[in-house]
Amino acid sequence: AQSVTQPDIHITVSEGASLELRCNYSYGATPYLFWYVQSPGQGLQLLLKYFSGDTLVQGIKGFEAEFKRSQSSFNLRKPSVHWSDAAEYFCAVGSTDSWGKLQFGAGTQVVVTP
Amino acid sequence: DGGITQSPKYLFRKEGQNVTLSCEQNLNHDAMYWYRQDPGQGLRLIYYSQIVNDFQKGDIAEGYSVSREKKESFPLTVTSAQKNPTAFYLCASSSGTGSSYNEQFFGPGTRLTVL
Repeated sequence: AQSVTQPDIHITVSEGASLELRCNYSYGATPYLFWYVQSPGQGLQLLLKYFSGDTLVQGIKGFEAEFKRSQSSFNLRKPSVHWSDAAEYFCAVGSTDSWGKLQFGAGTQVVVTP
Repeated sequence: DGGITQSPKYLFRKEGQNVTLSCEQNLNHDAMYWYRQDPGQGLRLIYYSQIVNDFQKGDIAEGYSVSREKKESFPLTVTSAQKNPTAFYLCASSSGTGSSYNEQFFGPGTRLTVL
């Protein structure tokens, strides 16, 4: 069965510190990978995506993610977090044989402390 | 500005009543989706539509119905058969058709509370 796992439900990080959010997936076909961010009571905004090519992808707001096929992972990173990065982050996976349908992880809530 | 609108933002209904959530997009996207979001469970797909006058059940379609009579509109009806309808509902759209794969753009969501 296809699945997406975000092992960390909640992460607390100090402003200015680095951040890494983990995402592992289990998919039979070639995966298409996404990271979205959601502020409270809002919709989701796309941070970055991976379809093919360079396995290190850059996104908006200073985020980047690295696709590691051997580890079935797509971890999100930011070198220095800002208070405005406090939000919930979702990893999502699709594939060539499930057009249009994304499987979402349960999300990681990020809290930024002064 | 192009985007997806959902209305209303907050909706309150009595148990046993049907309620319809609106989703409109002006992105000229072919595909549209409805998700339900509950705390700690991520997003779960209710229904999706790849083209006008066609739609498919997602993972949790029971108790919900949709229509796709126009390209820009994809309303969701939460029926009285839905056992636990209180949730945050998100509508999304994407431009791809066939085997092309595109990212989904999301609306701001509707929070439905059933009293």
